[in-house]
Amino acid sequence: GAGVSQTPSNKVTEKGKYVELRCDPISGHTALYWYRQSLGQGPEFLIYFQGTGAADDSGLPNDRFFAVRPEGSVSTLKIQRTERGDSAVYLCASSFSLAGLNEQFFGPGTRLTVL
Amino acid sequence: KNQVEQSPQSLIILEGKNCTLQCNYTVSPFSNLRWYKQDTGRGPVSLTIMTFSENTKSNGRYTATLDADTKQSSLHITASQLSDSASYICVVSEEFGGGSQGNLIFGKGTKLSVKP
Repeated sequence: GAGVSQTPSNKVTEKGKYVELRCDPISGHTALYWYRQSLGQGPEFLIYFQGTGAADDSGLPNDRFFAVRPEGSVSTLKIQRTERGDSAVYLCASSFSLAGLNEQFFGPGTRLTVL
Repeated sequence: KNQVEQSPQSLIILEGKNCTLQCNYTVSPFSNLRWYKQDTGRGPVSLTIMTFSENTKSNGRYTATLDADTKQSSLHITASQLSDSASYICVVSEEFGGGSQGNLIFGKGTKLSVKP
């Protein structure tokens, strides 16, 4: 595709449930990033991948959050035992590589609402 | 602690007017500074990227400045249009070793509303 795509665009779930959010980066981009954006705030870094490996997962808030990128392309952010405080827009971005000034291209985000 | 602070939090201007948005940061070591435009319900879109050695960069009606000594940046919008209504986010990248771009630290953004 022409840009980063994320599915679903909206997800409503109940407290305690498990959710998976998917990101399809731009073809050929080796670096992939996940961010979380709460209302009225800037995006908050969660994790980024270079290829299949997580280069930095220091932004994941706790062990309920996990992300994978098994083939170095599509990534899935997984949230276990969701809490109301997890409600936010989850943004994914990709860039050609981690090095230099490679621009990050963002997807439209997945709006997660935990009831 | 690495932080990026933006002002004002929100701004309303009339179509055709100019405006300037401010960004102060404490990120170190510094790699680069970016301004993004985020329309409601969309992901951020890059406007400019500046390194330590650059003090100004333009993208159409958008001009960003950087003072790496005072750790301040501004985004100037000329002859504003209704479509400029959006959040403008200042983002500073830490530098890891070997020139890699490292982690991005986002400001909270300035919400700009352009009225007819």
